[in-house]
Amino acid sequence: EAGVVQSPRYKIIEKKQPVAFWCNPISGHNTLYWYLQNLGQGPELLIRYENEEAVDDSQLPKDRFSAERLKGVDSTLKIQPAELGDSAVYLCASRRLAGESTDTQYFGPGTRLTVL
Amino acid sequence: DQQVKQNSPSLSVQEGRISILNCDYTNSMFDYFLWYKKYPAEGPTFLISISSIKDKNEDGRFTVFLNKSAKHLSLHIVPSQPGDSAVYFCAASDGQNFVFGPGTRLSVLP
Repeated sequence: EAGVVQSPRYKIIEKKQPVAFWCNPISGHNTLYWYLQNLGQGPELLIRYENEEAVDDSQLPKDRFSAERLKGVDSTLKIQPAELGDSAVYLCASRRLAGESTDTQYFGPGTRLTVL
Repeated sequence: DQQVKQNSPSLSVQEGRISILNCDYTNSMFDYFLWYKKYPAEGPTFLISISSIKDKNEDGRFTVFLNKSAKHLSLHIVPSQPGDSAVYFCAASDGQNFVFGPGTRLSVLP
């Protein structure tokens, strides 16, 4: 079974430029998460999708961040415009079902963003 | 306000000995707990989990203990191997979202 796929793995951009990250979850996984991970810290939730619906985006900075999950499979996270403080690793994770307490989430390799 | 805490940023252990990583949480709504291992330039990899109805779960060299009254869990690795050197994240779930601790860097010395 293929794992969570993310691209690109690395991205370097100048501040004020737009950037987009793509995630393909594990087949059959209905729930998809985007996380932000800063150096020396654990992943922090940005947004959670159940199928194509964003059910928790309370931590997403909506002035510059947006996300979509058309057709309830692949997802894209966008930043426009990027700021220096956005430099971090962006992780995507998926889970078979939400609400099942003992259902584990699995992570992709992440995209390391550097904003210059 | 950190809901999941890992108070030891780093831990060094001799190969063959036991590694004990600790985690504390504050939210009593959490009912599922997980440990992830992370190597550099990779995403976190699921290691072992425990439901709140249990107090111990074992998988090979890895055992997780849960003390609900103390809101504390620990990961035991016996025997520790050099390949276990990584950052370990504790995570807690309320069934919907997952909250992660800041991680503990384990170094297993040959």
